[in-house]
Amino acid sequence: AQSVAQPEDQVNVAEGNPLTVKCTYSVSGNPYLFWYVQYPNRGLQFLLKYITGDNLVKGSYGFEAEFNKSQTSFHLKKPSALVSDSALYFCAVRDPANDYKLSFGAGTTVTVRA
Amino acid sequence: DAGITQSPRYKITETGRQVTLMCHQTWSHSYMFWYRQDLGHGLRLIYYSAAADITDKGEVSDGYVVSRSKTENFPLTLESATRSQTSVYFCASGFPLQGAAHEQFFGPGTRLTVL
Repeated sequence: AQSVAQPEDQVNVAEGNPLTVKCTYSVSGNPYLFWYVQYPNRGLQFLLKYITGDNLVKGSYGFEAEFNKSQTSFHLKKPSALVSDSALYFCAVRDPANDYKLSFGAGTTVTVRA
Repeated sequence: DAGITQSPRYKITETGRQVTLMCHQTWSHSYMFWYRQDLGHGLRLIYYSAAADITDKGEVSDGYVVSRSKTENFPLTLESATRSQTSVYFCASGFPLQGAAHEQFFGPGTRLTVL
């Protein structure tokens, strides 16, 4: 079975500082990995994905994520956080052999203070 | 407009009533999904559909029914609503009939309260 863990319920950073949101995964095969962001009272918006190739993936709004197969991690990063990055972030994994289903982490609430 | 829409956006109902949540997408995606979002649980898959007339259960399907007579629509029905079904429900679609897009695209959600 595939699963995702986001070990931090909340991450607080000051504006301008680096932001990291952690994610580890478990799948039987090679994973497809995704990050989504959810703003209050909105649906999830796709940020970035890792399918294959370069371990460093760049996405929307200046976010990037690094795939680390040995540590089974896919941490989301932004070099300089903005107040507008405050939102709920979800990591998700899909086992390509598992019929297109995504498994989501519980989410991490990011608060960026001015 | 292209995209994925859900209706209603907010719904209050009573225990035991039947409720149907609607989902419509204009991308001709083959797959559609229903999730519920609850605090501390992230998103959990209720049902999904690979194509019209093909549906399958997710991890929390008890008490829910789906249908997919047309590619663009994927309604979710709570046959007899219970308080434990109070949640925010998200519909998603993905995987065009041709091509290899991998991500799912989410609707704005329906906030359902069962009294």
